Amino acid sequence: DAKTTQPPSMDCAEGRAANLPCNHSTISGNEYVYWYRQIHSQGPQYIIHGLKNNETNEMASLIITEDRKSSTLILPHATLRDTAVYYCIVRVFYSGGGADGLTFGKGTHLIIQP
Amino acid sequence: DAMVIQNPRYQVTQFGKPVTLSCSQTLNHNVMYWYQQKSSQAPKLLFHYYDKDFNNEADTPDNFQSRRPNTSFCFLDIRSPGLGDAAMYLCATSRAQGSQPQHFGDGTRLSIL
Repeated sequence: DAKTTQPPSMDCAEGRAANLPCNHSTISGNEYVYWYRQIHSQGPQYIIHGLKNNETNEMASLIITEDRKSSTLILPHATLRDTAVYYCIVRVFYSGGGADGLTFGKGTHLIIQP
Repeated sequence: DAMVIQNPRYQVTQFGKPVTLSCSQTLNHNVMYWYQQKSSQAPKLLFHYYDKDFNNEADTPDNFQSRRPNTSFCFLDIRSPGLGDAAMYLCATSRAQGSQPQHFGDGTRLSIL
């Protein structure tokens, strides 16, 4: 799986949009971008994933650049409960179904300030 | 309504004494994974079951084994725990279809005395 690069930490004011960048310049055509987060002492929580189109769900939006070499996770209105480590992960997509595990990088520690 | 359940949340064992961690799921997913997360590090995949097929990661120590008696349950066995095995152990599940995401339990924190 392609490697990802994220800033080690970021701050964001409560109520503002949090924009978390991820670089995956070696991504292949059959690799998806996934975002998970891990709140202290809990298991990782799935947020969103995408291949090349922008995606939005009830938690966040995912913006993938046209060349797919980078992406941004957007939390539209950050709250204190969004303080967590956010992991950007690239994973191969198997059209016939697959079971590869996730390769976690160091992630970004997002701190929401009151 | 927890969907991936790990028991216990905290487990203490003695150096060298075998220990088993358990994971159950209500999602009927056909893939189950075990990850190890040491303090201040990211989770690292140990192995996974795709239905009944066991898939070990190349660098997973022989000390770690797993059993999956049915779709809902998966166990992690550590035969002779060393001090370096103290960690959070995370179980995850997914459907082996397309780009389906993995769903994690809240982990079992293992301490070695």
